Amino acid sequence: DTAVSQTPKYLVTQMGNDKSIKCEQNLGHDTMYWYKQDSKKFLKIMFSYNNKELIINETVPNRFSPKSPDKAHLNLHINSLELGDSAVYFCASSHPQGGGALYNEQFFGPGTRLTVL
Amino acid sequence: AQSVTQPDIHITVSEGASLELRCNYSYGATPYLFWYVQSPGQGLQLLLKYFSGDTLVQGIKGFEAEFKRSQSSFNLRKPSVHWSDAAEYFCAVGAYGNKLVFGAGTILRVKS
Repeated sequence: DTAVSQTPKYLVTQMGNDKSIKCEQNLGHDTMYWYKQDSKKFLKIMFSYNNKELIINETVPNRFSPKSPDKAHLNLHINSLELGDSAVYFCASSHPQGGGALYNEQFFGPGTRLTVL
Repeated sequence: AQSVTQPDIHITVSEGASLELRCNYSYGATPYLFWYVQSPGQGLQLLLKYFSGDTLVQGIKGFEAEFKRSQSSFNLRKPSVHWSDAAEYFCAVGAYGNKLVFGAGTILRVKS
């Protein structure tokens, strides 16, 4: 069984469109994340949610709106797509920080390659 | 602010040779350190992690890394590289909010 899954794997779209990427984890984790890997392979966190509550928002344009319907899902909706949004987007999950654990290992999905034309 | 530096963008080694990938971090508290590998077109796979205890940690695929607090380093090593090790390697530090801060990555090429 896939631990962290993302759909779609590839997404090609025109500038100005709105698109969503879905992420699901079956690890029983409370915390989920979105990372962006740009064309130079640099990986940077965008958001994290803990049990459906936004924890981290790393100065991402408000065209990006994460939505967590339940703690096993964290979807990423992007409005008015721009050329610079072309990247690979990775979803990850972990147990939450706290409860004696100062840090918890993250498990990554396979990534979604978004190409904006 | 937390940061991770991987000084080598590309490294080429011969198959069977030893490998060391460098990683330096900047973090005010006790660091939680990771090495991930990304094969072309693939996701991120965790090779190993350091949370506490023994400063030499063993990972999967024959990799190991040594945490040196005095040098703020967490270098990845493998005694004998295989062609299948060709990939991009990312060092990361766990930061506030349980987020990961990644280095820019090192591309490993293996020549036969």
